Amino acid sequence: DAGVIQSPRHEVTEMGQEVTLRCKPISGHDYLFWYRQTMMRGLELLIYFNNNVPIDDSGMPEDRFSAKMPNASFSTLKIQPSEPRDSAVYFCASSLSDLLNAEAFFGQGTRLTVV
Amino acid sequence: DAKTTQPTSMDCAEGRAANLPCNHSTISGNEYVYWYRQIHSQGPQYIIHGLKNNETNEMASLIITEDRKSSTLILPHATLRDTAVYYCIVRVGQDMRFGAGTRLTVKP
Repeated sequence: DAGVIQSPRHEVTEMGQEVTLRCKPISGHDYLFWYRQTMMRGLELLIYFNNNVPIDDSGMPEDRFSAKMPNASFSTLKIQPSEPRDSAVYFCASSLSDLLNAEAFFGQGTRLTVV
Repeated sequence: DAKTTQPTSMDCAEGRAANLPCNHSTISGNEYVYWYRQIHSQGPQYIIHGLKNNETNEMASLIITEDRKSSTLILPHATLRDTAVYYCIVRVGQDMRFGAGTRLTVKP
């Protein structure tokens, strides 16, 4: 397996524009996580899904952020409208539900810059 | 509300063992201790995890105290490529939240 795949790797957008980040989890994994990383706040858990269903979205900063998982092999994180303070690296991760082997595998991240 | 406490930074000489401590005094009986590391600009990488027994794999060893209130990650022969931020996480289920971690610098 190629691991967790995120796209794009880099995104530069203007304030007010819609941004969509994409993630393909490892095949067979039933949990998917979205994280945001900044210097000030570190790694923050935004939302996670189990079997395509959102389980906990308490980390989503505000209504401008939304995440979907239409099927087991694809998820999106959308920001609309984007603001400069959304600039960060966004990571997607996936894992199995087996708690004895529940290590999460992370993608390479999407570096978002909102100008 | 951080569940773990780690030193902000540590140095280690190349070839020596790196011992990274973590305090998790409020850990509950069904929470696992996980360790991840993040090398500059990359996504976090899983290292090892355990419940109450010591664990070892090809990357590291995890020593958990008998009362489970603290643990130590041991990299037996640190190399320059082990320079990274190391995160200790306690989790039950799939909820996994990162603290600030320890920045380990391996020096030649």
